[in-house]
Amino acid sequence: EIVLTQSPGTLSLSPGERATLSCRASQSVSSTYFAWYQQKPGQAPRLLIYGASRRATGIPDRFSGSGSGTDFTLTISRLEPEDFAVYYCQQYGSSPPLTFGGGTKVEIK
Amino acid sequence: QMQLQESGPGLVKPSGTLSLTCAVSGDSISSSKWWSWVRQPPGKGLEWIGEIYHSGSTNYNPSLKSRVTMAVDKSKNQFSLKLSSVTAADTAVYYCATGYFDSSGYYLFHYWGQGTLVTVSS
Repeated sequence: EIVLTQSPGTLSLSPGERATLSCRASQSVSSTYFAWYQQKPGQAPRLLIYGASRRATGIPDRFSGSGSGTDFTLTISRLEPEDFAVYYCQQYGSSPPLTFGGGTKVEIK
Repeated sequence: QMQLQESGPGLVKPSGTLSLTCAVSGDSISSSKWWSWVRQPPGKGLEWIGEIYHSGSTNYNPSLKSRVTMAVDKSKNQFSLKLSSVTAADTAVYYCATGYFDSSGYYLFHYWGQGTLVTVSS
């Protein structure tokens, strides 16, 4: 089973600052099947990034994804008030087919 | 625009069976998509439960496989989840969602229901 480990668990930043979130896989993951999600309280997760670096429809360009193999990064270039949320990484393709990371909470400092 | 809507009892007794349905609108359950269930215990992260294709093919999370059954109802354009022998640890918000491969081969887990809270308690 592929385990996705996200770090840090919590990121305390101020609006306007840059956020860098990490996701490490226990074994190599196909970039084609790697994604990032944002979740706000009481809401379903929202797809931000798929294919490791492709923004989903309607996602602002301050969100960017990078990485390959076992190390992936989500960067928010300048935090807006609405960006404070929990972020999850996800991979699809290996047994079990789909796994999520444990999440990183981006909170207001 | 596809929409997914979960429905089912919000309270299930311990040792009982949790049963949920996800109604699909805006697309056919027979399209080239995998239909999934994901759950989230209160205050915790996301856990993928499993997926089903319109043909009936399934993939389940090994940690839940012995207790999970998924099915598709093409006549009603919906799919369902049954989780047996539930305990308090199965208390969670349950989401239905769908994953598909776009024309470039990328996998998108794009559409989610709003989620339904299921509490396991006597």
